[in-house]
Amino acid sequence: GEDVEQSLFLSVREGDSSVINCTYTDSSSTYLYWYKQEPGAGLQLLTYIFSNMDMKQDQRLTVLLNKKDKHLSLRIADTQTGDSAIYFCAERSDQAGTALIFGKGTTLSVSS
Amino acid sequence: GAGVSQSPSNKVTEKGKDVELRCDPISGHTALYWYRQSLGQGLEFLIYFQGNSAPDKSGLPSDRFSAERTGGSVSTLTIQRTQQEDSAVYLCASSLPGRDYGYTFGSGTRLTVV
Repeated sequence: GEDVEQSLFLSVREGDSSVINCTYTDSSSTYLYWYKQEPGAGLQLLTYIFSNMDMKQDQRLTVLLNKKDKHLSLRIADTQTGDSAIYFCAERSDQAGTALIFGKGTTLSVSS
Repeated sequence: GAGVSQSPSNKVTEKGKDVELRCDPISGHTALYWYRQSLGQGLEFLIYFQGNSAPDKSGLPSDRFSAERTGGSVSTLTIQRTQQEDSAVYLCASSLPGRDYGYTFGSGTRLTVV
């Protein structure tokens, strides 16, 4: 079945770049997503990338997709303490009527 | 409404009791999803409603879990004879139809079974 894997923790200093990595197994994935969850809140969609793209940039966020290796990454430039949260990678297969499959989330801790 | 609304935000129940969790999706969103978030387990898919189609119940962990969606809008997730392992945050999300739309999540219901 489908599986999405992420490292569980990442710690960075304020001002540095953060890179959160994700691997997935479903080769029919068409859309891949990054969600952010702050304490006590639901998940907020940060960005997504279509599988025919290699890169997508949105302000401080850069998403890189290596479809051959089924590897997705999220780079946050100039990381701030407000970026501290759990980041979830999710994939959606090409099959109609399927729900998103989420990874277990990466907890990003930003120290000042 | 402006967002996905879930109630209650917190629920403490005794083992063996039934509970009902409510989700009010964004108006016009035909797709509605329930997920469960347990500590260290990420998000576990439970059930998916899309318009008038039969729901995808493939993620429900046991027959104690059921969900319905009335009038294509509000959804209720029911857990019968709750067990301690049911303790988790239950998240609801809604979206427009189509694969290129992400989900909008509610803030969740934290269920504690004692």
